[in-house]
Amino acid sequence: DIQMTQSPSSVSASVGDRVTITCRASQGISSWLAWYQQKPGKAPKLLIYAASSLQSGVPSRFSGSGSGTDFTLTISSLQPEDFATYYCQQANSFPPLTFGGGTKVEIK
Amino acid sequence: QVQLVQSGSELKKPGASVKVSCKASGYTFTSYAMNWVRQAPGQGLEWMGWINTNTGNPTYAQGFTGRFVFSLDTSVSTAYLQISSLKAEDTAVYYCARDLSRYSSSYFDYWGQGTLVTVSS
Repeated sequence: DIQMTQSPSSVSASVGDRVTITCRASQGISSWLAWYQQKPGKAPKLLIYAASSLQSGVPSRFSGSGSGTDFTLTISSLQPEDFATYYCQQANSFPPLTFGGGTKVEIK
Repeated sequence: QVQLVQSGSELKKPGASVKVSCKASGYTFTSYAMNWVRQAPGQGLEWMGWINTNTGNPTYAQGFTGRFVFSLDTSVSTAYLQISSLKAEDTAVYYCARDLSRYSSSYFDYWGQGTLVTVSS
């Protein structure tokens, strides 16, 4: 199985900050990577797929990059509604599809 | 608009069974695969597997074979997850999630609201 490792596990940031979250795959996954946002008590929401494609309706302050084993999610200017937990997910090799452990973005 | 509406919370005793439903609307049900994802309390996301909504063929992740069954009723655009011989460690929120792909499992663009299954004596 492909292991997905996210860092950091949590980050404290202020509104307006630039936030970067990284995700590393245990083996190459080309660009088969998605990012999701989850708020407490809610279902996850797809933000980015195919490493850098912005899902319809997602604000352009979210962007994704990377290929192979190393990927990043960047929030260019953090907004109050962006405080949440973010997960990466690989779709290169399954079963199983696998998620990272999550990164919680908290208010500083 | 696309919606996935899941059945309500369940409280079950160990050894019992539960069936969670996921009713789709706003799109052609058989045009997209359906996935199931588990989230234990305070934990991350775990992919359980997917079902081809054209053929009804399910694929299960390791750890979700035997007691877990995915099924469909395409006449009512509904997917089901049945769990038998429930254990305390099955306590979790279970999500259905539509796939971007028709014939495979890849990325999940629409999610149900989640169904909390609690297993306790």
